[in-house]
Amino acid sequence: AQSVTQLDSHVSVSEGTPVLLRCNYSSSYSPSLFWYVQHPNKGLQLLLKYTSAATLVKGINGFEAEFKKSETSFHLTKPSAHMSDAAEYFCVVSFTGGGNKLTFGTGTQLKVEL
Amino acid sequence: DAGVTQSPTHLIKTRGQQVTLRCSPISGHKSVSWYQQVLGQGPQFIFQYYEKEERGRGNFPDRFSARQFPNYSSELNVNALLLGDSALYLCASSFPSQGAYEQYFGPGTRLTVT
Repeated sequence: AQSVTQLDSHVSVSEGTPVLLRCNYSSSYSPSLFWYVQHPNKGLQLLLKYTSAATLVKGINGFEAEFKKSETSFHLTKPSAHMSDAAEYFCVVSFTGGGNKLTFGTGTQLKVEL
Repeated sequence: DAGVTQSPTHLIKTRGQQVTLRCSPISGHKSVSWYQQVLGQGPQFIFQYYEKEERGRGNFPDRFSARQFPNYSSELNVNALLLGDSALYLCASSFPSQGAYEQYFGPGTRLTVT
């Protein structure tokens, strides 16, 4: 079985400060991991993905994530938050041989304040 | 290029009725998956189709069914609607049939059951 746990349901940061959204995963197989973002009343947009290549993954809009097998973590970071980053973020796991089934975390709501 | 499109955008139905939701994948994508996102939760996998065949099914009752057409578009049908079926229904497309490749999501259909 595979699952992800997003450790914070809400995160609030000031504009210009770093962002850290935490995710731990559980998978019986070699996982593929993704971060998706969902802005209000919009669909899901892929931020970045890890598929067993480099453990540090760079995505769009300055986001990056590091796969740490020993800690079963895949935390999302950004050096400097922007107001437009305010959204819901989902950590997602899948695994090779699992077809296209994505298993989503419960989401982290990111609030960015002036 | 057009992204994943879904219709209708919003729908209001009464308990016991039936509903059909439609999805057109990105050109060249052969796999379509359906997800249900209840308010405040992460999306839950319902179905995956590839080359008109069901390749995966989530933990949903038989009231939910789907199909894929020769042009790779897809329909999701829900019979005997319940209040709990109120949700955002998301369609996602991807190119390969297997493996954990990224999926591209449409804007969703908001279904309200009264």
